[in-house]
Amino acid sequence: RKEVEQDPGPFNVPEGATVAFNCTYSNSASQSFFWYRQDCRKEPKLLMSVYSSGNEDGRFTAQLNRASQYISLLIRDSKLSDSATYLCVVNIYNAGNNRKLIWGLGTSLAVNP
Amino acid sequence: NAGVTQTPKFQVLKTGQSMTLQCAQDMNHEYMSWYRQDPGMGLRLIHYSVGAGITDQGEVPNGYNVSRSTTEDFPLRLLSAAPSQTSVYFCASRGTGVDNEQFFGPGTRLTVL
Repeated sequence: RKEVEQDPGPFNVPEGATVAFNCTYSNSASQSFFWYRQDCRKEPKLLMSVYSSGNEDGRFTAQLNRASQYISLLIRDSKLSDSATYLCVVNIYNAGNNRKLIWGLGTSLAVNP
Repeated sequence: NAGVTQTPKFQVLKTGQSMTLQCAQDMNHEYMSWYRQDPGMGLRLIHYSVGAGITDQGEVPNGYNVSRSTTEDFPLRLLSAAPSQTSVYFCASRGTGVDNEQFFGPGTRLTVL
């Protein structure tokens, strides 16, 4: 089983739709979680961190479920500009307190007019 | 701030040639890393550095060398290019705080013939 798994999509949604992505992780020692956004032929950029209590940033909401070992990203009122690949990232600290980032392969979103 | 810069943006090499991908950051970040991104494989860590004079191997280090003589610069050397090294290469940097955001450069698209 991969350490971080995402549905690759693509998710095709109309403008204004609500869309949700899940990401599952296998290592229970995972400490922190992030969503990055990557536009076509561009570098990844941080979208938001994911906190245990859940967090919201405008139209974007991130949730963490430690018991089931998954994180989610909800996008409300989708815009054309939301079309991108969304990367799930999990941060694991090993016994030496060294940080290791595990990247998912990404979920592709296309928002259509 | 220019952030993380990479040169060149594009490069074509013949098998057996060597070259250096340049990376620089102006955010005074201690931590720098090199990734490659391939379809279906996601981002894979090649080498990383936690400060000037300190480097370590990542997940896929074979065929690559790095050095970190200054905080700002972290060049990646391909010793003898192979077609399997055709990829998009991203340099990234972050501060040393727990869970600091990773900032990526714009990437170098390398083709090895």
